[in-house]
Order: sequence, then structure tokens, then C-alpha cells
Amino acid sequence: DARVTQTPRHKVTEMGQEVTMRCQPILGHNTVFWYRQTMMQGLELLAYFRNRAPLDDSGMPKDRFSAEMPDATLATLKIQPSEPRDSAVYFCASGKSGGEETQYFGPGTRLLVL
Amino acid sequence: SQQGEEDPQALSIQEGENATMNCSYKTSINNLQWYRQNSGRGLVHLILIRSNEREKHSGRLRVTLDTSKKSSSLLITASRAADTASYFCARRAGGTSYGKLTFGQGTILTVHP
Repeated sequence: DARVTQTPRHKVTEMGQEVTMRCQPILGHNTVFWYRQTMMQGLELLAYFRNRAPLDDSGMPKDRFSAEMPDATLATLKIQPSEPRDSAVYFCASGKSGGEETQYFGPGTRLLVL
Repeated sequence: SQQGEEDPQALSIQEGENATMNCSYKTSINNLQWYRQNSGRGLVHLILIRSNEREKHSGRLRVTLDTSKKSSSLLITASRAADTASYFCARRAGGTSYGKLTFGQGTILTVHP
């Protein structure tokens, strides 16, 4: 049963620290999405990649956030420095362009910045 | 911020009853999708309806799309306690590339046994 995996599942850190979240997309999927979910803003698309190339990161605060795909099996989202307002659940999703448009979500990383 | 609205924000029903959730949007769409999120979990895709389709079925789910009114509805028939979750509609705007979805704020559905 193929699934998107995310690590860590929970992260508590102090303001100013660097946070790195990792995602392993489903094997064979060529599109990866990063979302942030909060009670106030709902689910927001931060960035997405196709064939490891960034297609759109307009939803991401550029000064502190960065997203990369070092290889086809790993996507990373970094926040440096972290701030309390970054506290949220961060979801990674993957999909396969050219076919059905289903996005498969990981379980999320719950981030708390103190 | 989210484009469009979902209503109701919360819905509470008894097992066996039908649940209807609505989604409205403001710009033209390529397709509209519905996702479910159980508490503390990631979203799970339920069904996709394209802009040239009016109705689609999947098991106990029925989705309708009215592009003239820019609205969609999700009907869950004969609900079960296990259907308790948040339900989100997600729109892919016309002219945008695959995958760029805009999610609504969701409807919280509670089904009482």
C-alpha cells in the first residue's frame, strides 16, 4: 500500500531555530506539493515541484522558507529562522501529472514554534 | 485566503441520514475535487468532477456541479459514524497547470451512531 511519508510527525522548537521537514513521495509520482494548514487560514499551497523542478512557490514566504527536491524520493521544506506564526500542520502530497489529478497526502508534520 | 465558500461550516446528523455539503467558487474551473480529512490525519481524495460534467457517483457519494452558478455539492447517502470527518472542496482554476488547487475552509461532519 503506497503512501506518502513525512518526518518528523511532531516538532517543538524555539523561535529562531531552523526546522527541516522531509517528505518521501509515492514511488513513480512526479509532482510534489507542500501545504500548510492552520485554523485561521485553512489549507494553503506553499510550493510544488514537477520532475524535481520548482513550478510555483508563490505561496511561500521567501525570506525564511525554502523547498527543494534533492532527488526523486525526497522533498524538503526548511524554515530558517522559525517564528511562532509558523506553527501549523505541514502536509506533503504527491501526484502523477498526465493522468488522474488525485493528490495523495502524507500524515503531516505538526510544528509548534515557541 | 481561500477562494469561495463551503457551507455549512458544521453539520450534525444521525446515522442513516443523508449529508449534503455545498461549495461555491468565484472563477472558472478546470475541475473540482472533494477530499476528506479525519482528525489528525492527512487529506484523502474522494472524487473529481470536471467542468464539462454535471454529476458523478462513487459508492455512497454523489457530486454535482453547476458551472453557471459556480457551485458544487457533495451528497453522502446513508451516512455512518465512520463518515465523521472534515470535507473539503478543492478547485483547479481554468488555465492553471495540473495540481494547483485552491481548498475551501471545509465542512465538519459529525454522524451520531
